[in-house]
Amino acid sequence: ETGVTQSPTHLIKTRGQQVTLRCSSQSGHNTVSWYQQALGQGPQFIFQYYREEENGRGNFPPRFSGLQFPNYSSELNVNALELDDSALYLCASSYSGTEQFFGPGTRLTVL
Amino acid sequence: GQQLNQSPQSMFIQEGEDVSMNCTSSSIFNTWLWYKQDPGEGPVLLIALYKAGELTSNGRLTAQFGITRKDSFLNISASIPSDVGIYFCAGQSLGSGAGSYQLTFGKGTKLSVIP
Repeated sequence: ETGVTQSPTHLIKTRGQQVTLRCSSQSGHNTVSWYQQALGQGPQFIFQYYREEENGRGNFPPRFSGLQFPNYSSELNVNALELDDSALYLCASSYSGTEQFFGPGTRLTVL
Repeated sequence: GQQLNQSPQSMFIQEGEDVSMNCTSSSIFNTWLWYKQDPGEGPVLLIALYKAGELTSNGRLTAQFGITRKDSFLNISASIPSDVGIYFCAGQSLGSGAGSYQLTFGKGTKLSVIP
């Protein structure tokens, strides 16, 4: 059984740029959730994708957007990057939103 | 964003000692989960609790879902060096979309084990 994978591992961007992060869900899972984890904090829910549509969103602005593909993999896009966007971005997959299993994360640094 | 109240923030214990940490919330949750996160890794699910009052064990780990559905605790017995890491509680609730679930996390308890 393949676990959740994310790419890239690390990324450095400058303020104002755009970034795309990728996630492959665990086999058998149809739901993907994205979380932002700032240093020293717990993860914060960004949004969830099910059946290729966003079906839940946390307190994040519209410049955070996503996609889910027919194979249940997902992308997180962030436009107009700000310094505060520097964080570990975690993807979690589940079957219909039940127990969520996390990937290793993408460390984003915005300069 | 909302976070759960998790305590203690950090603990230093001797190898072989038992550990206890807890999590409280002002909101009710349908499910409580406990995760462990090592540096540079994503959180790993340890225990999931589904019913108020439920007590569940996973090896040396025991967790309980509080009767009020607003709290949970995690115990680790006979700690070993590989227990080092950050432990997070998470409450699962319905999200804004139909059939959507979201996790609300605590700030974590950093556990250090002295050999």
